[in-house]
Amino acid sequence: DGGITQSPKYLFRKEGQNVTLSCEQNLNHDAMYWYRQDPGQGLRLIYYSQIVNDFQKGDIAEGYSVSREKKESFPLTVTSAQKNPTAFYLCASKRPGIGRDTQYFGPGTRLTVL
Amino acid sequence: EDQVTQSPEALRLQEGESSSLNCSYTVSGLRGLFWYRQDPGKGPEFLFTLYSAGEEKEKERLKATLTKKESFLHITAPKPEDSATYLCAVQAGDSNYQLIWGAGTKLIIKP
Repeated sequence: DGGITQSPKYLFRKEGQNVTLSCEQNLNHDAMYWYRQDPGQGLRLIYYSQIVNDFQKGDIAEGYSVSREKKESFPLTVTSAQKNPTAFYLCASKRPGIGRDTQYFGPGTRLTVL
Repeated sequence: EDQVTQSPEALRLQEGESSSLNCSYTVSGLRGLFWYRQDPGKGPEFLFTLYSAGEEKEKERLKATLTKKESFLHITAPKPEDSATYLCAVQAGDSNYQLIWGAGTKLIIKP
């Protein structure tokens, strides 16, 4: 079955640590996205990538970094510069083509700072 | 400023009691409006995409409609398994592929 996988499901970080969240898709989608979800708020875009080796900052990129070395993979690193990283992180992808604007989501990673 | 507002924040219904969720938007040129369902601790599940005013789409007990200012998600004779948070997102014409998200409506269906 095609889909988007995220790992781990739960992640705990100590103060000052960098952690990396994994996102893999086998849908042959070109575009991939990282969102942060906090209670009572809409999803906020962290980074997105339209093609391999290219990515752009979203609305809340500070304290985060990404890479896109393969079409299937779009890992997100939460650095120690992110002061309030506790949240639910969602990865999404989108098919290429005009009119194909729907984003499909992975199951999410819940990050907690200890 | 582009904005998406969902109402109500939460809605409690008895099983079989039909109702509607609202998603109002102000964007510069609508490219598409998206409805998702999200269960606790899980990623959003895609439901519908609407592209132009007057468009309607249905899936089981759900029906989504679109006007120039808002979208409604009508739920007919809901069942407890319809309980979830329903998210609305809008893509503006000049958005460079970014979506603007509402905060969601938490729907609880009591048996």
